Amino acid sequence: DAGVIQSPRHEVTEMGQEVTLRCKPISGHNSLFWYRQTMMRGLELLIYFNNNVPIDDSGMPEDRFSAKMPNASFSTLKIQPSEPRDSAVYFCASSFAGGSGEQYFGPGTRLTVT
Amino acid sequence: GIQVEQSPPDLILQEGANSTLRCNFSDSVNNLQWFHQNPWGQLINLFYIPSGTKQNGRLSATTVATERYSLLYISSSQTTDSGVYFCAVQGGSEKLVFGKGMKLTVNP
Repeated sequence: DAGVIQSPRHEVTEMGQEVTLRCKPISGHNSLFWYRQTMMRGLELLIYFNNNVPIDDSGMPEDRFSAKMPNASFSTLKIQPSEPRDSAVYFCASSFAGGSGEQYFGPGTRLTVT
Repeated sequence: GIQVEQSPPDLILQEGANSTLRCNFSDSVNNLQWFHQNPWGQLINLFYIPSGTKQNGRLSATTVATERYSLLYISSSQTTDSGVYFCAVQGGSEKLVFGKGMKLTVNP
């Protein structure tokens, strides 16, 4: 069974450009999470969805960040406009909320904003 | 919010040695997971262990929920065990709160 799939794996962009990160959760999972990892702040939750509905977006840094989950098998995290301080690794994770709740992580997208 | 502290922050071992990693958390939890982040950055699930003891090969983990701590044991360490080990907990929501991690280096 395929794990969590993220694309792209690496993204290099210039300041001011729009960036879209994509995630496909594990089939059958109904919760999806976006995390960001930086040296300064470690791993922190940005937003999570349950049954495609955003539940907690308190970790989204500012209005430049937005996330959507149009269906159970796809989510996007968009940054517009991007800034150098957004450079980080962005992880998507999924879980089955009705079960143990164990979260499984994708390989991450390494974003560099120059 | 819930706080997660890991110790030690760094550890260097010779191959074959054993080690114990500790995770303390500040409040009751519904879920506790241990992850290994390998040198390529991938987060690998080691244990889902809100309470009790589990073993998987050379690794085992114990969580004492009433005392608010968890331990990860690595026996007969190998160079492939190198990386960063994270403890993460869930309190009242599905959100995972991560510790700062413990960097393990196993030398041949």
